[in-house]
Amino acid sequence: GAVVSQHPSWVICKSGTSVKIECRSLDFQATTMFWYRQFPKQSLMLMATSNEGSKATYEQGVEKDKFLINHASLTLSTLTVTSAHPEDSSFYICSAPREATGELFFGEGSRLTVL
Amino acid sequence: AQSVTQPDIHITVSEGASLELRCNYSYGATPYLFWYVQSPGQGLQLLLKYFSGDTLVQGIKGFEAEFKRSQSSFNLRKPSVHWSDAAEYFCALGGGYQKVTFGIGTKLQVIP
Repeated sequence: GAVVSQHPSWVICKSGTSVKIECRSLDFQATTMFWYRQFPKQSLMLMATSNEGSKATYEQGVEKDKFLINHASLTLSTLTVTSAHPEDSSFYICSAPREATGELFFGEGSRLTVL
Repeated sequence: AQSVTQPDIHITVSEGASLELRCNYSYGATPYLFWYVQSPGQGLQLLLKYFSGDTLVQGIKGFEAEFKRSQSSFNLRKPSVHWSDAAEYFCALGGGYQKVTFGIGTKLQVIP
């Protein structure tokens, strides 16, 4: 079964609204989680590294004020797309490493459609 | 900087035929390499990984990959493709506490 879970799996929202996506590690604690986005017919691009108890680290070109990341606990990281616009429509995937083994697990992904 | 190249964007094979998906990487040290599969609208599933040791790695669903340091390659193979293997395949570099860099992906189409 899944060890990293994302919610919601898909969401449709109006332009200008904010959307929150959750990423949970189900049976292990993750001090670090990663957020990726995937445009249609393209690869996954790392957006940011989420760090429990501290600020996220964003990749170059990613607007930190638009993509708010909160890693409030050792099992939960959230990505909030603020004031979403149609160009934010994408597939967002999180991942978390299991510290004991270093293995990286991916969530199922969340498809965001902004109308 | 690390990078991953998947030269083939799209590959079509007949069911039962053999398959090889190419992956080349650029990394300054010993790489951690992965192959993931993504079905339409789904998340990523790990097929196999290479950290160290035996350069021929066995994965799930009958896939294997061979790490060749001299060629900076980590090609994915399967001796006999099934229709259910149709999906997109991503080669990736890094992992764990490292950032994962993905290739652009190879879309596999399987024809009867």
